Amino acid sequence: GENVEQHPSTLSVQEGDSAVIKCTYSDSASNYFPWYKQELGKRPQLIIDIRSNVGEKKDQRIAVTLNKTAKHFSLHITETQPEDSAVYFCAASKGTYKYIFGTGTRLKVLA
Amino acid sequence: SQTIHQWPATLVQPVGSPLSLECTVEGTSNPNLYWYRQAAGRGLQLLFYSVGIGQISSEVPQNLSASRPQDRQFILSSKKLLLSDSGFYLCAWGTGGHYGYTFGSGTRLTVV
Repeated sequence: GENVEQHPSTLSVQEGDSAVIKCTYSDSASNYFPWYKQELGKRPQLIIDIRSNVGEKKDQRIAVTLNKTAKHFSLHITETQPEDSAVYFCAASKGTYKYIFGTGTRLKVLA
Repeated sequence: SQTIHQWPATLVQPVGSPLSLECTVEGTSNPNLYWYRQAAGRGLQLLFYSVGIGQISSEVPQNLSASRPQDRQFILSSKKLLLSDSGFYLCAWGTGGHYGYTFGSGTRLTVV
């Protein structure tokens, strides 16, 4: 069935360094890939997304890349700051009702 | 603009008691509605989704049920709670396609 694998499960980086989170999806028909950030005790919030007709998308310090051939996509955060500490979830969708979420990555930015 | 309301924010219930969590959306019509559960330190598990009034799809077998009595209202229920029902319950709405979900603020349920 549909599956999204996310790695790593935890990631610690020094403030100012970059962080990369990777996801792999199983359904080649997936065409929409959102990323959510969840701060402790809060709701997940959409931070960036990418569609299958685009290879890369940037929004300030955040970027997402997509490799359709390999069926994987990645979140890149540059110049990390303490407020980037959170759990990040990737997801994949075929543009229908359901998103398949990854298991999450707990990012800790060390000051 | 669209907003999603979910309540209560926290709930402590004894084992065997009933449950009713409510979610409403404003500012849109015919939204897709979702209930997710997140166990402590875990990922997002889709429980139910609905694409219209009275239309409920269940993703996992469990002692929970969902109903959509009105276009913008989604209710999660249980007749008898289990300890394993504890978790963070999130309602979400979307329009389908490539526009992302918006999550409610969540209900932290502790079954004791």
